[in-house]
Amino acid sequence: KNQVEQSPQSLIILEGKNCTLQCNYTVSPFSNLRWYKQDTGRGPVSLTIMTFSENTKSNRRYTATLDADTKQSSLHITASQLSDSASYICVVSDRGSTLGRLYFGRGTQLTVWP
Amino acid sequence: EADIYQTPRYLVIGTGKKITLECSQTMGHDKMYWYQQDPGMELHLIHYSYGVNSTEKGDLSSESTVSRIRTEHFPLTLESARPSHTSQYLCASGATGTSGRAVGDTQYFGPGTRLTVL
Repeated sequence: KNQVEQSPQSLIILEGKNCTLQCNYTVSPFSNLRWYKQDTGRGPVSLTIMTFSENTKSNRRYTATLDADTKQSSLHITASQLSDSASYICVVSDRGSTLGRLYFGRGTQLTVWP
Repeated sequence: EADIYQTPRYLVIGTGKKITLECSQTMGHDKMYWYQQDPGMELHLIHYSYGVNSTEKGDLSSESTVSRIRTEHFPLTLESARPSHTSQYLCASGATGTSGRAVGDTQYFGPGTRLTVL
């Protein structure tokens, strides 16, 4: 069964600190993995996208890693800001259909305190 | 910021009412999607469309219906709303990849409609 599991479920950190969010998946055949940021009451916004051959990708203070062998990904946030408070969702796409199915994790709810 | 819009943003209605959630995108994307999301839970695909006059049901069974008469417009309708329909509904769109498949597509999400049925 294709699944995406994220940990931790929630996380509280102080402003300026770093943190790492985890994503494990069983989706096969794998196409790509995305990290989305979803602010409360808003739709998800794409942060990074990685294909099978990519190990790391950065977008400003966000760095995503991918280990396709162990089917794990992480999202590292550097020097957190209050505006980073949001849900971070790991999304894995398969290539088994023309639709390019997306499998969503439940997200990690990050709260940054001043 | 993606050019995809949803209205209304919030809706509170009584049981048995008919409602239509609007979704429009100005990016010319052929694919559009409707997701349902409960607090703290993952998004579940309820409907999708490959293009005009194409609609398909997603993974999660839903009593809603959709239509795709124009490329930019993908409304979702509930004929008779019930409290169990209370949820957040997210619309998304994406373009077909150069290979003709959806692989690698990024989906752009609208802001969502928070529906409460009393």
